[in-house]
Amino acid sequence: ETGVTQSPTHLIKTRGQQVTLRCSSQSGHNTVSWYQQALGQGPQFIFQYYREEENGRGNFPPRFSGLQFPNYSSELNVNALELDDSALYLCASSLNPRSDQPQHFGDGTRLSIL
Amino acid sequence: DQQVKQNSPSLSVQEGRISILNCDYTNSMFDYFLWYKKYPAEGPTFLISISSIKDKNEDGRFTVFLNKSAKHLSLHIVPSQPGDSAVYFCAAIMNQGAQKLVFGQGTRLTINP
Repeated sequence: ETGVTQSPTHLIKTRGQQVTLRCSSQSGHNTVSWYQQALGQGPQFIFQYYREEENGRGNFPPRFSGLQFPNYSSELNVNALELDDSALYLCASSLNPRSDQPQHFGDGTRLSIL
Repeated sequence: DQQVKQNSPSLSVQEGRISILNCDYTNSMFDYFLWYKKYPAEGPTFLISISSIKDKNEDGRFTVFLNKSAKHLSLHIVPSQPGDSAVYFCAAIMNQGAQKLVFGQGTRLTINP
């Protein structure tokens, strides 16, 4: 069973640029969530996709957007990058969006903004 | 507004003894609680969860206790092993809307030989 995989592992961008991060969900999982983890903090929920539709959003501005594809893989796009966007971006997948289904995380993409 | 809090940034325990990690929450609408373990350069790994209708859940060396009246949960690891050294995150989720995990800030557990 293949777990959650994310690419790239590291990325360096400059302010104002745009970035796309990718995530392949665990086999059989149709729900994908994205989290941002700043240094020394717990992960913060960005949004969730279920069967290709956005299923909820955290307190992030519209320049954070996403997609889920028919194979349930997902992308996170961030426009107009700011210095505060420097963080670890984690993708998690689950069997479905029920609260009793554990979310399984990838190893993340470390994004650095210069 | 920190709805889930882990007030101890770090904890050091002797190998073979019990490790107790604590977590407090403020939102009574949470209905599931989870613990994740995180090694450096890896994503969080799911450890154990508990429903709000239970007060204890056990899985091998790991036991989670929930005290709803105090809005407090704890993770007990016994016996502690060197491989348990990691950052532990407590998380909570509501049974409505998106499957949004609300995390604490984490506790770094170090197991000393």
